[in-house]
Amino acid sequence: GAGVSQTPSNKVTEKGKYVELRCDPISGHTALYWYRQSLGQGPEFLIYFQGTGAADDSGLPNDRFFAVRPEGSVSTLKIQRTERGDSAVYLCASSSSPGAGYTFGSGTRLTVV
Amino acid sequence: GEDVEQSLFLSVREGDSSVINCTYTDSSSTYLYWYKQEPGAGLQLLTYIFSNMDMKQDQRLTVLLNKKDKHLSLRIADTQTGDSAIYFCAESHNTDKLIFGTGTRLQVFP
Repeated sequence: GAGVSQTPSNKVTEKGKYVELRCDPISGHTALYWYRQSLGQGPEFLIYFQGTGAADDSGLPNDRFFAVRPEGSVSTLKIQRTERGDSAVYLCASSSSPGAGYTFGSGTRLTVV
Repeated sequence: GEDVEQSLFLSVREGDSSVINCTYTDSSSTYLYWYKQEPGAGLQLLTYIFSNMDMKQDQRLTVLLNKKDKHLSLRIADTQTGDSAIYFCAESHNTDKLIFGTGTRLQVFP
C-alpha cells in the first residue's frame, strides 16, 4: 500500500480483556517496528521484526505482550489481560533499508477502562 | 543507557526562525532523526543526518550535529503557523530501534 496502515484506529476495551492490533506495512518493507506512545511522551520501542522473525523484542514490557509477523508483511500486536496502564497510542513503522528513515502509521489509540 | 533529551516548549512569531535542540547520550549513534507530529496524527519524518556529517540542509530545514557534545539542532527558517506541532528528535544505531526524546511543542503565533 501507499503507507503504513493500522487498524483499528481506536479501541476501547475492559480491563482484563484480550486485544489485537494490526499493522499493514508498506509493500516490500522488510523491517517492521512497534512503538507505544503514552500521553505527553515520546514513542517507546516495543519490538522489531526483520522479515518474519523478531530481531529485537527487548522493549516488550512483560509477557502479556506478544507480536507476530507470520508471512513477513502484516503484523499483529497482542495484549493479554489488559490493564489500565496499557492505555496509549500504539504506533507501527516500517523501513526498507538502514538510514532510510521509518514510515509510521497513524497509530491505534487503545483505552482500557 | 541511551537517553535523548529535548526542551518541552518553544514559542516563536510567524516569519521568525525556530531552533529546536536535542542532546543524546549514545556515542555510537549512527543516524539522528527529526520527526514532526501534528495533533491526532502519526509521526512524519522531516529529515535525518548520518553521524559522520555535521550539517544538512533541506529547503527551510537545517540540521546541525555536534558529535563531540552529542548535540543536535533543527532550525526552521521563516516559521509558519502550519509548523505548529510536536517535534521529536530520535537516534538509532545502525538499523536498530529508534530512541526518541520527549518532544518539543512548537507554537507559532501571528
